[in-house]
Amino acid sequence: GNSVTQMEGPVTLSEEAFLTINCTYTATGYPSLFWYVQYPGEGLQLLLKATKADDKGSNKGFEATYRKETTSFHLEKGSVQVSDSAVYFCALKGSSNTGKLIFGQGTTLQVKP
Amino acid sequence: GAVVSQHPSWVICKSGTSVKIECRSLDFQATTMFWYRQFPKQSLMLMATSNEGSKATYEQGVEKDKFLINHASLTLSTLTVTSAHPEDSSFYICSAPPGGRGNEQFFGPGTRLTVL
Repeated sequence: GNSVTQMEGPVTLSEEAFLTINCTYTATGYPSLFWYVQYPGEGLQLLLKATKADDKGSNKGFEATYRKETTSFHLEKGSVQVSDSAVYFCALKGSSNTGKLIFGQGTTLQVKP
Repeated sequence: GAVVSQHPSWVICKSGTSVKIECRSLDFQATTMFWYRQFPKQSLMLMATSNEGSKATYEQGVEKDKFLINHASLTLSTLTVTSAHPEDSSFYICSAPPGGRGNEQFFGPGTRLTVL
């Protein structure tokens, strides 16, 4: 079945450091891929998405490229801020029309000033 | 973006009692809503798909008699944890996609259930 694997956290960085959070997936067909962010005390929010191979999703300085050859969707940001401290979830939605999301285990990011 | 609310935000109950959690779409209609369970420092696990006007679809391993789902209207789905036990303690999250299940899902803030 479909699955998502994320790097374990927590990830602790200094402000303005470069961020990479690895995400790989297993899926049949052509899934859509997502990154969600959960700030403390808030619900999950969609950060970015990509619906087909080689697509690049981007938002708020974050980027991720849908790599079918490596089944990956790594999240990157060139310069993190303290306000980026949150839990980040990689997720996929299969090619069937059920709308179901499969989530990775989440990676906690802590950015220190 | 669209707003999804949950009520209550946290609840503490005694073992053996039942607890109802509400999920509402505030500014859109949702024929489908999803219920997830999140354990500490773990991923969200899809429990069931709530369908307006029909029975919920449960994921494998989720007890449908334990976790009762009722999609009462186009803006409200409820999850009732029946005869709750300490192992049911968790964070329950709902989501809803405006315009149909294939669209972007908007998530509620979650409900923390603690069973004593």
